[in-house]
Amino acid sequence: EPEVTQTPSHQVTQMGQEVILRCVPISNHLYFYWYRQILGQKVEFLVSFYNNEISEKSEIFDDQFSVERPDGSNFTLKIRSTKLEDSAMYFCASTQLAGNGEQFFGPGTRLTVL
Amino acid sequence: AQSVTQPDIHITVSEGASLELRCNYSYGATPYLFWYVQSPGQGLQLLLKYFSGDTLVQGIKGFEAEFKRSQSSFNLRKPSVHWSDAAEYFCAVGARGRSSGDKLTFGTGTRLAVRP
Repeated sequence: EPEVTQTPSHQVTQMGQEVILRCVPISNHLYFYWYRQILGQKVEFLVSFYNNEISEKSEIFDDQFSVERPDGSNFTLKIRSTKLEDSAMYFCASTQLAGNGEQFFGPGTRLTVL
Repeated sequence: AQSVTQPDIHITVSEGASLELRCNYSYGATPYLFWYVQSPGQGLQLLLKYFSGDTLVQGIKGFEAEFKRSQSSFNLRKPSVHWSDAAEYFCAVGARGRSSGDKLTFGTGTRLAVRP
């Protein structure tokens, strides 16, 4: 069964460093998302992406964040200068159709900022 | 704006007992509704979803949920809980009618513990 994959599973970085989190969505999906979950808290929407542009972003998704689909398979989230409060689990998700609503989630990348 | 409330932060049930996890949503129309389960250190697995039609939906692992429009609720149920059901459960709502795919809004989750 097709699945969303994410790498790395765990990333440790120093405050102020740039990180890139990678995701490979399901191959025939067209809509892509990033969510994050701070330890012990709920899952929060960061950004949605369709047709090579951002569809919607939350207030969390400030200028330090960017997303890209550099080729036909990868979907990346970049944090330019990490802060301690960026430590969280980051989930990538994808879906096939607009309005379908069912999003398939990857296993997540745990980001630890020291 | 859509929102989801899961009033129970933590629930403990005995193995074999029935389970109901509560979820209330706020949305201007009929939403898409989901229940996800997250085991420790794992990602989110979809248990079931409601888009339209029959208000009682069946999911994986013996779970079901009932959409009640009048109560803005989508409670998750299981008639007999197994020890392996211990996990965190998230209710989520997605908006309809948008052309570019929609974000999910999650509740704060209910952590389920199962007594042997």
